[in-house]
Amino acid sequence: ETGVTQTPRHLVMGMTNKKSLKCEQHLGHNAMYWYKQSAKKPLELMFVYNFKEQTENNSVPSRFSPECPNSSHLFLHLHTLQPEDSALYLCASSQESSGANTGELFFGEGSRLTVL
Amino acid sequence: RKEVEQDPGPFNVPEGATVAFNCTYSNSASQSFFWYRQDCRKEPKLLMSVYSSGNEDGRFTAQLNRASQYISLLIRDSKLSDSATYLCVVKGVANSGYALNFGKGTSLLVTP
Repeated sequence: ETGVTQTPRHLVMGMTNKKSLKCEQHLGHNAMYWYKQSAKKPLELMFVYNFKEQTENNSVPSRFSPECPNSSHLFLHLHTLQPEDSALYLCASSQESSGANTGELFFGEGSRLTVL
Repeated sequence: RKEVEQDPGPFNVPEGATVAFNCTYSNSASQSFFWYRQDCRKEPKLLMSVYSSGNEDGRFTAQLNRASQYISLLIRDSKLSDSATYLCVVKGVANSGYALNFGKGTSLLVTP
């Protein structure tokens, strides 16, 4: 069982819908991430939260809105998405200490999103 | 220029073969390097870090050439279970320090 759980695993939504993706990590980590994985493209970093503070927003359109209420939970709120936003959205967590980074991200199994 | 470039493959090799993957990165100030593995329809998982002196973990050997900005992964005595996509990952200095840049991945299929 993965230490990072994502729900829902699959989501189909229309362009006018509002939905949210949820991520929970049970590893005691202090950093959480959203990545987007599209076919034939590398993983794209979307957002980084460290100790609940957003430290990175990688030029993501405002139709994606992250929320990190505590260090164990991360949400991605979705509204008025486009068909090209269809992808696998991966949540990850890591333990950061004074900027040291072992490079080990622990990923959830992802939420596969289809926008019609 | 992409930050991390890999040959997407696929590499089709027979069991027992030795196979090597290469990766180049664009930011000469990058400091940390990794190989991740992603099985079909699964999440990526850390395979191994890559150190300047080169490092080995069982059948897997990773090497880094900073001068050429080049990373490699060698798999010896391939097993069927090695079939996966191998992602080259570089820690981007321009970022906050907490995020990693992924290559598109190299697909490996080991056949009986």
